[in-house]
Amino acid sequence: EAGVAQSPRYKIIEKRQSVAFWCNPISGHATLYWYQQILGQGPKLLIQFQNNGVVDDSQLPKDRFSAERLKGVDSTLKIQPAKLEDSAVYLCASSLVFGAGANVLTFGAGSRLTVL
Amino acid sequence: GESVGLHLPTLSVQEGDNSIINCAYSNSASDYFIWYKQESGKGPQFIIDIRSNMDKRQGQRVTVLLNKTVKHLSLQIAATQPGDSAVYFCAENILGSARQLTFGSGTQLTVLP
Repeated sequence: EAGVAQSPRYKIIEKRQSVAFWCNPISGHATLYWYQQILGQGPKLLIQFQNNGVVDDSQLPKDRFSAERLKGVDSTLKIQPAKLEDSAVYLCASSLVFGAGANVLTFGAGSRLTVL
Repeated sequence: GESVGLHLPTLSVQEGDNSIINCAYSNSASDYFIWYKQESGKGPQFIIDIRSNMDKRQGQRVTVLLNKTVKHLSLQIAATQPGDSAVYFCAENILGSARQLTFGSGTQLTVLP
């Protein structure tokens, strides 16, 4: 089966600019996650969708980050305006059913953001 | 607060030797644990998981050991190969809960020729 697709793979912007990342999960996976991975650290959950509804966005900096999954399939993550500390890899993952529980997350290759 | 941490940030082993990567967790309610492997430029890839009703689980060349008493788990890789060079993360969760999967900070495994 096709994996989780993400684009762009790399993006360089200046602070205060905006950026958007796109994710296409594995077909049939109801749950979609966006993680932020800062260099040298483990992934940190930003937002979790179940179909097109938000399950958990408690760690999403809502003053600058937004995400949507309008039709319950693809998702976009937007940052506006970007700060230097937003430099990280943004990972999208999907799982078959709700909850990370015993349902293994499949990750995409990530989108690496550099903010200058 | 809750955390999932690793004892060593880096580990170097000779090709063919066995590798042991350790992980400590602090949430005693966690009952499900996963090891992920992340190669450079790629997303984390599932290796093996274990539930808290087990102490040991084996896969292909990998074994995960869980010690709930001291809240510690380890990943053992037999006959380590160059392709095993990567960052290894443990992650923990509570089955059936909406709680997010919590990742540790990772251990960089380097396989020496």
